[in-house]
Amino acid sequence: GAVVSQHPSRVICKSGTSVKIECRSLDFQATTMFWYRQFPKKSLMLMATSNEGSKATYEQGVEKDKFLINHASLTLSTLTVTSAHPEDSSFYICSARVWGGNYEQYFGPGTRLTVT
Amino acid sequence: EDQVTQSPEALRLQEGESSSLNCSYTVSGLRGLFWYRQDPGKGPEFLFTLYSAGEEKEKERLKATLTKKESFLHITAPKPEDSATYLCAVPSGGPEGQNFVFGPGTRLSVLP
Repeated sequence: GAVVSQHPSRVICKSGTSVKIECRSLDFQATTMFWYRQFPKKSLMLMATSNEGSKATYEQGVEKDKFLINHASLTLSTLTVTSAHPEDSSFYICSARVWGGNYEQYFGPGTRLTVT
Repeated sequence: EDQVTQSPEALRLQEGESSSLNCSYTVSGLRGLFWYRQDPGKGPEFLFTLYSAGEEKEKERLKATLTKKESFLHITAPKPEDSATYLCAVPSGGPEGQNFVFGPGTRLSVLP
């Protein structure tokens, strides 16, 4: 149980375009989903917290207009990187918190974004 | 401010050579200490949650323990497939414990 999927696993896009990453909880309902960014050989950096039906809460220094987050249902959150630049290239990971659970977060497999 | 540190940063072991990884935390009101394993290019995989000092949990060659200030992940007779980065985290961010504060991780390499 507690499986989280992400799509796509890898994406290459051109500078200036937008790309959408989906995060789904497959076998449970998640009132809260989290989006992280990870640089090579570094730990996870929280970008934003996404609550179903409300606006996402962004961490300091994360541009909300650049990283658009939508949490449309209890099983789906999306991250859209708008007007992507090469410096947005990174590994993006989502996680979902089980509704009614004890703070556990279950992570997706990650999405490797490369902006050329 | 809640903080998590991990040591060592990297650890190389021979197959069968047991060792321990350390996770030290400073948090106002512990609501669990979480251990994850992360393989390169993958998302973190949940291993354990510990909630109170003295608690221990085991899974195959791994055993996690918790004190009031730190947690240890003991690896007994490791195999090459145990090679990964091990992350610990604590819930933070108000009464809901919304966010995780992650440690920097320990990169474990087990050589055959």
